[in-house]
Amino acid sequence: GENVEQHPSTLSVQEGDSAVIKCTYSDSASNYFPWYKQELGKGPQLIIDIRSNVGEKKDQRIAVTLNKTAKHFSLHITETQPEDSAVYFCAASFSGSARQLTFGSGTQLTVLP
Amino acid sequence: GAVVSQHPSWVICKSGTSVKIECRSLDFQATTMFWYRQFPKQSLMLMATSNEGSKATYEQGVEKDKFLINHASLTLSTLTVTSAHPEDSSFYICSAKDPGGSPDEQFFGPGTRLTVL
Repeated sequence: GENVEQHPSTLSVQEGDSAVIKCTYSDSASNYFPWYKQELGKGPQLIIDIRSNVGEKKDQRIAVTLNKTAKHFSLHITETQPEDSAVYFCAASFSGSARQLTFGSGTQLTVLP
Repeated sequence: GAVVSQHPSWVICKSGTSVKIECRSLDFQATTMFWYRQFPKQSLMLMATSNEGSKATYEQGVEKDKFLINHASLTLSTLTVTSAHPEDSSFYICSAKDPGGSPDEQFFGPGTRLTVL
């Protein structure tokens, strides 16, 4: 089955700086890669996703890049703000019968004011 | 966007009792729902895939007789933890897919915190 590795497990940045979180996946058949933000005691919220036919996608301060050859994808947050502090999860899925998601281990991002 | 709710948001029960958690899609009909379990400071682990009108598909290592899943309608799936024990204490999260939207995107509920005493 799919295996998704995520690094780093914790990341602290100063407000206004950029943050980068990286994930690698094992199944070359995976073709959908979402990123979620989870605040304490809440469910995950989709912040951006990318499909395998695209190399990069951007939405305001958030961007995701995908390297299919190397089987890794990254989340980039620019101009970080204290409200960006949360746990971020990457995930991967393939077009199987149920398109199940396999999650990375998570990154605790702390934005210092 | 599509909204998924869960009820209750938290529950405390005694060891040996059963607890039911509801997952509802509020503004769409979900033919497929998923149930996840998340222990503190860990990732989401898929427990089972729930399809409306058919039996749930459980992941390896998840006891189907202990975690009963019922997807009786297109807007409701329930997870019943039977004979709960302290080790079942966890954050349970459901998600649903909107057949009218992206085939890949899952919409997550807010989670249910279960504490078994």
